[in-house]
Amino acid sequence: TQLLEQSPQFLSIQEGENLTVYCNSSSVFSSLQWYRQEPGEGPVLLVTVVTGGEVKKLKRLTFQFGDARKDSSLHITAAQPGDTGLYLCAGAGDYKLSFGAGTTVTVRA
Amino acid sequence: GAVVSQHPSRVICKSGTSVKIECRSLDFQATTMFWYRQFPKQSLMLMATSNEGSKATYEQGVEKDKFLINHASLTLSTLTVTSAHPEDSSFYICSAEPRLAGSSYEQYFGPGTRLTVT
Repeated sequence: TQLLEQSPQFLSIQEGENLTVYCNSSSVFSSLQWYRQEPGEGPVLLVTVVTGGEVKKLKRLTFQFGDARKDSSLHITAAQPGDTGLYLCAGAGDYKLSFGAGTTVTVRA
Repeated sequence: GAVVSQHPSRVICKSGTSVKIECRSLDFQATTMFWYRQFPKQSLMLMATSNEGSKATYEQGVEKDKFLINHASLTLSTLTVTSAHPEDSSFYICSAEPRLAGSSYEQYFGPGTRLTVT
């Protein structure tokens, strides 16, 4: 059973469109991280959110941590083909990370 | 900064042999290193947590005698898959947590090792 539920599982959009990926849990996390992984490579850390209600922006990416520190979202504005990849959320607790199942994002040119 | 390397990137071995995978933090010291396994189109599954100078903590269902972990220094951890079988074929990824990560538990991942057992 996945502690973190990610949705949707797959997302295919046209270049220039916006997208949102959700990460939900019944557990409270001390922090939550988002990673992007490309095939055959390790995940790359995008952002860490720590405070409930926190919003972080990284260029066209906006990350939000829920007030109760149980959920998070990743929003990409004007997606580009380079945004294609597997997006993983991970919640920190018990000195380790629990990963969601991932969202495979495909941005078509 | 925060670069983690893994070696080898790909390895093919025969059934019954052992394979060692190295994980190094190149520009920081890592209090803790983690080993994950990932099947195609799936998320990462934590296998074990390794702290420098102490025994690794294995997740439920992971055989500690089959997956030997050694964390000899603050920059190096190794995973040895002993008596490998085809079902051990997978993508193995390590990560390292910087010594001063504090409560954020940020982990930086290596590029992964593709193991194929024939």
